Amino acid sequence: NAGVTQTPKFQVLKTGQSMTLQCAQDMNHNSMYWYRQDPGMGLRLIYYSASEGTTDKGEVPNGYNVSRLNKREFSLRLESAAPSQTSVYFCASSEYSATNEKLFFGSGTQLSVL
Amino acid sequence: QKEVEQNSGPLSVPEGAIASLNCTYSDRGSQSFFWYRQYSGKSPELIMSIYSNGDKEDGRFTAQLNKASQYVSLLIRDSQPSDSATYLCAVTMSSGTYKYIFGTGTRLKVLA
Repeated sequence: NAGVTQTPKFQVLKTGQSMTLQCAQDMNHNSMYWYRQDPGMGLRLIYYSASEGTTDKGEVPNGYNVSRLNKREFSLRLESAAPSQTSVYFCASSEYSATNEKLFFGSGTQLSVL
Repeated sequence: QKEVEQNSGPLSVPEGAIASLNCTYSDRGSQSFFWYRQYSGKSPELIMSIYSNGDKEDGRFTAQLNKASQYVSLLIRDSQPSDSATYLCAVTMSSGTYKYIFGTGTRLKVLA
């Protein structure tokens, strides 16, 4: 069972470069999320997609764009990377119900911007 | 002010003791509340979810929710060194938004 798969696991960029983080889930979940995690900051929501065809801003959307390509895939794009975007990025998915909610996380992407 | 607040710790407790972790949230309309555990270098994993006022027990873990005080806590009984991790409180904001907001996490150290 693959669950949530993120690629790449590690990436080093120079300031100004662009890249796309890929995320795919095989659990037929409607909702998908991108978080970043910095030391002492917990998980901060960048963007989320409640269902295929919709995306919404989270807590820290500036400098990022997302695409919900289909129900399985949700990508995060950095158009012009900045050192402040050095972080660990987690993709997650969930199936919403009234009393049984759970986020399933990918293994994370360690991104360094020099 | 962050929407979900936690003391960052570290919280140190001796093996066998009760560890008490606390979380407050700002959105009175919040519906669902969660505790995730994250080991260093790993992804978060769900420990407990709670949806109504009161206590919910699962093995050594008890989640407590008080919506009037906008407060949720996690008690870990008979703490073990393997419980040493960062504990993240998460809240879904007002009903139907599917938006999970996390606190900064509390680092727990269980001393053998």
